[in-house]
Amino acid sequence: EVQLVESGGVVVQPGGSLRISCAASGFTFDDHTMHWVRQAPGKGLEWVSLISWDGDSTYYADSVKGRFTISRDNSKNSLFLQMDSLRSDDSAFYYCARGDVPVQVFAPSDFWGQGTLVTVSS
Amino acid sequence: EIVLTQSPGTLSLSPGGGATLSCRASQSVKSNYLAWYQQKPGQAPRLLIYGASNRATGIPDRFSGSGSGTDFALTISSLEPEDFAVYYCQHYGRSPFTFGPGTKVDIK
Repeated sequence: EVQLVESGGVVVQPGGSLRISCAASGFTFDDHTMHWVRQAPGKGLEWVSLISWDGDSTYYADSVKGRFTISRDNSKNSLFLQMDSLRSDDSAFYYCARGDVPVQVFAPSDFWGQGTLVTVSS
Repeated sequence: EIVLTQSPGTLSLSPGGGATLSCRASQSVKSNYLAWYQQKPGQAPRLLIYGASNRATGIPDRFSGSGSGTDFALTISSLEPEDFAVYYCQHYGRSPFTFGPGTKVDIK
């Protein structure tokens, strides 16, 4: 069974940093592109970033480019999002999601975690 | 960046009725790389449709997708109680993989 479990969401001050994680199981992690998608409470979905199966390619939304860094450790079946220079509008649930086609960057997300809440507030 | 517009914002319908949700892109979507997701309160999104018209694994056949280029639609042929939710479209042909703002389907 495919499982994605996010962790690391906390309350952080504006301008601060935070790294959130996603532990994957039940599939061959290093075959799949992985995504971060966020959702402010009561709002819509916003795609944040993706990393290819081998870590060689990364893409970011303009709203986070230069502040957030996506990475993965295939030996530990883990996905990460390093978030720096955090702002109040970064407050959201952060979901990790799997790209559904192996070794393909351009694919929809077929499995999602339950999300971790990041709150940026003083 | 491709901007996706969904209409209507809210659709109030009765169980058993049909629904058609629209998703319009500001530019042509490469290879019809357009997906639809369903999200219920307190839950993660669920993939319904990919490639504009292909049902994802385990999705009932009352859900169908259509369209190409810049105009896409999700049709629910006969609404079941569990179908009342928010629906999002997303393109995934190039970065950024933007989502539409969503259409809420609620009970009339």
